[in-house]
Amino acid sequence: QKEVEQNSGPLSVPEGAIASLNCTYSDRGSQSFFWYRQYSGKSPELIMFIYSNGDKEDGRFTAQLNKASQYVSLLIRDSQPSDSATYLCAATAGGTSYGKLTFGQGTILTVHP
Amino acid sequence: AAGVIQSPRHLIKEKRETATLKCYPIPRHDTVYWYQQGPGQDPQFLISFYEKMQSDKGSIPDRFSAQQFSDYHSELNMSSLELGDSALYFCASSPRTSGTDTQYFGPGTRLTVL
Repeated sequence: QKEVEQNSGPLSVPEGAIASLNCTYSDRGSQSFFWYRQYSGKSPELIMFIYSNGDKEDGRFTAQLNKASQYVSLLIRDSQPSDSATYLCAATAGGTSYGKLTFGQGTILTVHP
Repeated sequence: AAGVIQSPRHLIKEKRETATLKCYPIPRHDTVYWYQQGPGQDPQFLISFYEKMQSDKGSIPDRFSAQQFSDYHSELNMSSLELGDSALYFCASSPRTSGTDTQYFGPGTRLTVL
């Protein structure tokens, strides 16, 4: 079992809809959580980071963290075709490791016009 | 804003050859991370450096070595290359001294081993 698991994809939503991406993690020592967007053959691009329980909003994106349930999610409102990409959930390792990121397997999102 | 710089962007090598990948972090970022991403896979952590000292080590083969220099740039040296080393190699940097572990990724180096 991967330390970071993302909901199975691919995910397809119509333009203007809300896309919901989910992620669970197994390391209770993880403190920081990130969502990256990655286009094919390109590098991961930081979308959101969240450290505290609750919601964090940035424009069309909302990240949610529930440490008790070890659950992280990303909502994309008013989805656009340009949002079509692979979304990677990542968590920092607990313990003495600092900053080392463990990624989920990614969720492919397609936004169709 | 300045981003992470990686060179070269593409590299083609033969089996058993050596390769050196370079990474220049965002100015004032003191921590560098290296990741390997195979086709269809998620990025895997290799190694990290903080203030020129190795900070953490992941699934990095013994054939690979890395270091961070006084100007904070980092190099990943890969020897006795194997076909399975073909992948995208990303460098990321963060300003650890500022109290954040948010990492920003460079454009990557695509290594092809023939």
